[in-house]
Amino acid sequence: KQEVTQIPAALSVPEGENLVLNCSFTDSAIYNLQWFRQDPGKGLTSLLLIQSSQREQTSGRLNASLDKSSGRSTLYIAASQPGDSATYLCAVSTIQGAQKLVFGQGTRLTINP
Amino acid sequence: NAGVMQNPRHLVRRRGQEARLRCSPMKGHSHVYWYRQLPEEGLKFMVYLQKENIIDESGMPKERFSAEFPKEGPSILRIQQVVRGDSAAYFCASSLTAPNTGELFFGEGSRLTVL
Repeated sequence: KQEVTQIPAALSVPEGENLVLNCSFTDSAIYNLQWFRQDPGKGLTSLLLIQSSQREQTSGRLNASLDKSSGRSTLYIAASQPGDSATYLCAVSTIQGAQKLVFGQGTRLTINP
Repeated sequence: NAGVMQNPRHLVRRRGQEARLRCSPMKGHSHVYWYRQLPEEGLKFMVYLQKENIIDESGMPKERFSAEFPKEGPSILRIQQVVRGDSAAYFCASSLTAPNTGELFFGEGSRLTVL
């Protein structure tokens, strides 16, 4: 059974810092991994999708990497801004059940001005 | 291009009543998914549907819950005889292509409170 873990559960950093959020998964037989952000009381916004054959994806100040063999992904946020404050979720689509994204518990990020 | 639309955004029901949650996928998307987020818990898969077909309902509680995605109109998640434990945020997502390749786009969610 696939399990997804995100560390840390919460992170607070001053504005302008570069930071890394971690995601690990137990079953490396995945199709893809997706990073989302969720603002309080809101839905999920897709940030980056990495297919299993890819090593990384970039969008603006965000860079996500994937090491499928070790079951790890990182989300790198450059030059953080207060508007980046949100909960960041990673989710994997496994070969055993591609339609069921398995989510981590999320990292609650606070960027202090 | 409108995103995934869910309504109502907030719904209050008393125990024993029925709750109906609606989801209109993004234009052109024929794959719809429902997820539930219980307080202080992560999102959990409930059901995957394509037009007129339930493909995978392995995450749905066996009783009181049902889902449909008719040929015309939105997908509906129906909860009969609601109990307090059903209080949660229910998210709908859609994708253009099959789940193993498609990026999922989520709606804003419907927040159900059972009194």
